[in-house]
Amino acid sequence: NAGVTQTPKFQVLKTGQSMTLQCAQDMNHNSMYWYRQDPGMGLRLIYYSASEGTTDKGEVPNGYNVSRLNKREFSLRLESAAPSQTSVYFCASSGRGARGDTQYFGPGTRLTVL
Amino acid sequence: GNSVTQMEGPVTLSEEAFLTINCTYTATGYPSLFWYVQYPGEGLQLLLKATKADDKGSNKGFEATYRKETTSFHLEKGSVQVSDSAVYFCALYSGAGSYQLTFGKGTKLSVIP
Repeated sequence: NAGVTQTPKFQVLKTGQSMTLQCAQDMNHNSMYWYRQDPGMGLRLIYYSASEGTTDKGEVPNGYNVSRLNKREFSLRLESAAPSQTSVYFCASSGRGARGDTQYFGPGTRLTVL
Repeated sequence: GNSVTQMEGPVTLSEEAFLTINCTYTATGYPSLFWYVQYPGEGLQLLLKATKADDKGSNKGFEATYRKETTSFHLEKGSVQVSDSAVYFCALYSGAGSYQLTFGKGTKLSVIP
């Protein structure tokens, strides 16, 4: 049982380049999330998908787009990368997104934008 | 809005010492509270949780009690091990139509032999 998987693990981009971070879960969860982790900031929610076919903005959505491709997959796209987007990105999923529901995290993607 | 405040790190302890990491929160309604742990180079893992006042979450020797009167959820362990070295995050989920977990900034714990 792989849980939540993310690709790639590491990426270096130049300013203005685009890329897509991939996330997949095999736990049949309804809800999926993208967070970014910056030193001294904890984790901040970028976008989430409460269920297949829906997406919503989180705390820091500017500069990002998402696609809930199917129930398993939730991708994060940077259309024109900026140095401020240098961060570690985590994908997570949860069963129903309901009260007290545990979120399960992937291993992360470390992105550097030069 | 919702917020979580946890003690600044880093925290360095000797093996078998007692651990407390303070966490207080601000939230509307009755949030669920969590402690997540992040080992070096890995994603976050749920350590324990509590969904209502006076609940005690426990796992792997760690405990935390949901104190509504003091809006706190402090993490404790009686005897830490080197393998407990990690970053610990306190988080809350307030519900109320949002799916967002609100995280504290994290506390790095280093345990030395």
